Amino acid sequence: GQNIDQPTEMTATEGAIVQINCTYQTSGFNGLFWYQQHAGEAPTFLSYNVLDGLEEKGRFSSFLSRSKGYSYLLLKELQMKDSASYLCAGMDSNYQLIWGAGTKLIIKP
Amino acid sequence: GAVVSQHPSWVICKSGTSVKIECRSLDFQATTMFWYRQFPKQSLMLMATSNEGSKATYEQGVEKDKFLINHASLTLSTLTVTSAHPEDSSFYICSARVPRGNQPQHFGDGTRLSIL
Repeated sequence: GQNIDQPTEMTATEGAIVQINCTYQTSGFNGLFWYQQHAGEAPTFLSYNVLDGLEEKGRFSSFLSRSKGYSYLLLKELQMKDSASYLCAGMDSNYQLIWGAGTKLIIKP
Repeated sequence: GAVVSQHPSWVICKSGTSVKIECRSLDFQATTMFWYRQFPKQSLMLMATSNEGSKATYEQGVEKDKFLINHASLTLSTLTVTSAHPEDSSFYICSARVPRGNQPQHFGDGTRLSIL
């Protein structure tokens, strides 16, 4: 079956670094997506990985290891506005997204 | 680019009313759009995949006669919640993606539906 696993909740301190992990199992693989969702709002696209390695985009980076079925989202220099849920989603061979339940990130001053 | 517009943002109505939600891709043509529902503090749940010019594909447990989906053009999909009841109150979100390979889904702003 298809499955995405990520932690339910994480807490970090303003200015610090946090890594949110995601493991995936999909029928075929066409990439791994990360989205940010603030409370009461729709998700917004953050990053996409289809090849192994690290993709950096400002304070956010995303890593993929296809052999391990593993990805992480790295957030640096955390700001209070980064408090949100982070959704990991794998794209299967039919280009359908399989969604994780999301990781709620709580930033403390 | 890849902007998706959803309307209305908020709906409050009486039990038994039917409610229509529109989802438009503003700067691209979307052969496929997706409808999600999210209850408070819960995960995003895919309800159905909307295909332009054909019937929608519903996820298991979603009543197709209750949630009518129409995707009559390449830029518009509509979801109609028929005879809505308080248990249908939720956050409904649509998404669409550029129909080329492994493109991300882009979301509308969502519709908060409250049935009294």
